[in-house]
Amino acid sequence: AQSVTQPDIHITVSEGASLELRCNYSYGATPYLFWYVQSPGQGLQLLLKYFSGDTLVQGIKGFEAEFKRSQSSFNLRKPSVHWSDAAEYFCAVRDTNAGKSTFGDGTTLTVKP
Amino acid sequence: GAVVSQHPSRVICKSGTSVKIECRSLDFQATTMFWYRQFPKKSLMLMATSNEGSKATYEQGVEKDKFLINHASLTLSTLTVTSAHPEDSSFYICSARASESSYNEQFFGPGTRLTVL
Repeated sequence: AQSVTQPDIHITVSEGASLELRCNYSYGATPYLFWYVQSPGQGLQLLLKYFSGDTLVQGIKGFEAEFKRSQSSFNLRKPSVHWSDAAEYFCAVRDTNAGKSTFGDGTTLTVKP
Repeated sequence: GAVVSQHPSRVICKSGTSVKIECRSLDFQATTMFWYRQFPKKSLMLMATSNEGSKATYEQGVEKDKFLINHASLTLSTLTVTSAHPEDSSFYICSARASESSYNEQFFGPGTRLTVL
């Protein structure tokens, strides 16, 4: 069965500092991987996705993520965090056949001024 | 990009009543839609997979008689919470898989906040 682990429940960074959110997955083959952001009371917004090819993927809002097969990881990064980035971030793995998505428990990002 | 809508965005109902939530793919056809549930400050949990023209497939532990799913067309799936109780209060999110996508592209709706009094 597929699974996703986000080891950090809560991260606090200063505005302008760099950010890395960790994500580890378990899946039998090469997975489809996603990062979503959710503001309070809102739906999910897709930040970026990995299907195949280049392991470094660029997303919206200056985010990027790197797929590392050897580490079963798909960490999200941003070089300089803005106060508006404060939100809940979810990593997800999707079954390439059935299409079911499994989400991590999320990481809450707080940005200090 | 592809758009998925949900209606209503929020609903408050009395215990014992039934509530229907609609999920629509606005500009693409979706043979498969997924229904998720999110508790406060928790992750999304897949409830069921809805396939157009056939019965939904429910995840383990989800009561199919409690959460009725109908996928009557390629652009509409409905989730009916029957005889709702306060413990059914949650954020329900659907996603729709584009029929023509080679990568199982899915697009999420904005969610429906259900509060059962």
